[in-house]
Amino acid sequence: DQQVKQNSPSLSVQEGRISILNCDYTNSMFDYFLWYKKYPAEGPTFLISISSIKDKNEDGRFTVFLNKSAKHLSLHIVPSQPGDSAVYFCAASLRRQGAQKLVFGQGTRLTINP
Amino acid sequence: GAVVSQHPSWVICKSGTSVKIECRSLDFQATTMFWYRQFPKQSLMLMATSNEGSKATYEQGVEKDKFLINHASLTLSTLTVTSAHPEDSSFYICRAGGQATEAFFGQGTRLTVV
Repeated sequence: DQQVKQNSPSLSVQEGRISILNCDYTNSMFDYFLWYKKYPAEGPTFLISISSIKDKNEDGRFTVFLNKSAKHLSLHIVPSQPGDSAVYFCAASLRRQGAQKLVFGQGTRLTINP
Repeated sequence: GAVVSQHPSWVICKSGTSVKIECRSLDFQATTMFWYRQFPKQSLMLMATSNEGSKATYEQGVEKDKFLINHASLTLSTLTVTSAHPEDSSFYICRAGGQATEAFFGQGTRLTVV
């Protein structure tokens, strides 16, 4: 049962344009949603998060939008830069026994073309 | 951000042997640590949650006798893959910190069983 889904395995965007990465979820009990950037053979690096009670959070070039009624969130990167090329994982957190368990999507490989 | 160190970065072992992977939080105390596994081009799958001084909680389908987790101190958790088989070959990643927005990941360990 894949509770967090990223339906696009890859995305290619021109440098300077906007990159939009999408994520869908099924569990309405998730309390936080997070985006991570990952390079091969490395651990994920935290990018930005959003509480389930918010609908938007912005940090520099990164903005995350949450649509609870659609159980959908998206990450916008603008302007896109070559260094943004990586695999992006959407994750959702669920509190269990005092800690927040993270459930990850399958990832989307973003390629920024010069 | 906080630093989580995972060791070794990669390891090759023979079938039937055991391999120990260490996860250390270098500049903070982590009551809770998590172990994930990632197969190529797939999501990070949570294997177990370890709490300092108590038994780990394993996810459904993860064999606790095969993947031994020890969290003996607030800065160290270990994952031992016992009697390793080629199908255990994967990328193993630890996470330190129980709060989703304060979760930090190690750099991962690439295990290859031959």
